[in-house]
Amino acid sequence: SNELAQIPSVSVAPGQTAKITCGGSDVRRESVHWYQQRAGQAPVLVLYDDRDRPSGIPERFSGSKFGTTATLTISRVEAADEADYYCQVWDSSGDHCVFGSGTSLTVL
Amino acid sequence: QVQLVQSGAEVRKPGASMRISCKTSGYSFTGYHIHWVRQAAGQGLEWMAWINPNSGSTIYAPKFQGRVSTTTDRRTTTAYLDLTRLTSDDTAMYYCTRGVRSYATGPWGQGTLVTVSS
Repeated sequence: SNELAQIPSVSVAPGQTAKITCGGSDVRRESVHWYQQRAGQAPVLVLYDDRDRPSGIPERFSGSKFGTTATLTISRVEAADEADYYCQVWDSSGDHCVFGSGTSLTVL
Repeated sequence: QVQLVQSGAEVRKPGASMRISCKTSGYSFTGYHIHWVRQAAGQGLEWMAWINPNSGSTIYAPKFQGRVSTTTDRRTTTAYLDLTRLTSDDTAMYYCTRGVRSYATGPWGQGTLVTVSS
C-alpha cells in the first residue's frame, strides 16, 4: 500500500512541543516532505528530504524519520502554527505523489 | 520572487470540461517541474499530475487517467490543467505548485475554485 497515515488532530498549549507523525511503507525508502496549510490559504513547504528547512522556515520546525514513521516536531509552539499539516512522498516505484491524510494542529 | 498565479474561479455543468492556467514568474520555467494538486472542501490534498516543462513529459495519477491533461507554454511560462467529463466530485480548489528537490513542491499558486453543478 502507498498510503500515508496521519493522526487527524493534535492539540498543544503555546510554548509546548507538538509532534506530528506520518506512517507508511513508502516512508522507509522515500524522502518525506511536510506542508503547513493555514485556514483558507495554500499549503507551504516547511520541511523537505525528511529534515531540511526551506529558507524562511523557523528552526522551531524539525523533522526525523525512523523505519516507516516520519515525525514533524514543532518546538515552542505559537498561535500562528495552528494549521493543517500534510506529509508527502514521491512513490518512485509507482511514479506518483502521495499525500498523507493530514493532521489538524490546534493551539490551545 | 517566485510566483505562480492561477486563473479565476470557474463554474461548470456536469459532463463539461475545464481548463485552469498557472502563470509563473521569477525563475527559470524550464528548470522546474509543475505539479497539480486539488482539495475538496474540508478534505485533504490530492495529487493529480506532473509535467516537466523542458521535455513535456507528464505523469498522471491513475485515478484521473484518461480525463486529465497538463501542458505548458514555454513562451508565456504558463502551465495548464485540463479535466474532462466533470462530475460534482470534481468540485474542489485546484492548485499548481513548482517541484523542487526530491519532488517536494513550493511555492504554490493561490488556488482556483472549480464548482461543478447543474
